[in-house]
Amino acid sequence: KAGVTQTPRYLIKTRGQQVTLSCSPISGHRSVSWYQQTPGQGLQFLFEYFSETQRNKGNFPGRFSGRQFSNSRSEMNVSTLELGDSALYLCASSLDSPGANVLTFGAGSRLTVL
Amino acid sequence: AQSVTQLGSHVSVSEGALVLLRCNYSSSVPPYLFWYVQYPNQGLQLLLKYTSAATLVKGINGFEAEFKKSETSFHLTKPSAHMSDAAEYFCAVAPGYSTLTFGKGTMLLVSP
Repeated sequence: KAGVTQTPRYLIKTRGQQVTLSCSPISGHRSVSWYQQTPGQGLQFLFEYFSETQRNKGNFPGRFSGRQFSNSRSEMNVSTLELGDSALYLCASSLDSPGANVLTFGAGSRLTVL
Repeated sequence: AQSVTQLGSHVSVSEGALVLLRCNYSSSVPPYLFWYVQYPNQGLQLLLKYTSAATLVKGINGFEAEFKKSETSFHLTKPSAHMSDAAEYFCAVAPGYSTLTFGKGTMLLVSP
């Protein structure tokens, strides 16, 4: 059974650019959650999607957005990149509600903003 | 709002020694509690999950954790550390059917 796949694994952008990250969940999982991981702040929740609807949202500016497609694949976008957006972005999928169901994480997309 | 506190950003043990990683949580409703492990350049892997079925939860790789409601704690233990246990460990809480909130993580260092 394939795990959670995130692409790209590594990318470098410059300030002001935008970036799109992709996540393919485990087959049959309908919930996708996104987290930002940095050395100083740890893991911070970005948003969660279920059946193409954003069900929960963390405390991030509007530059951070996401969406989910009918096949449960998800993308997140960060516009007008800032140096502080450099981080490991982790996607996780679950059958349904993240609390009651186990979150399975992908390997992450490491974004470096120069 | 829920929160998680992991005591000690780094914990060092010798191979064969007891591993104890501390986690305290706050939650307004009975929570689900988790321990995850992260190896370098990888995502997070679930070690174990508390779901109220039993206060002592056994996980993979010989790890276990005990839920203590009176102390709002969910400490992770392993009787004998292996070199392969060196990694970063995260405690997380989810109140009910909600998203997970993670602690800052504890780096476990294992020396021969």
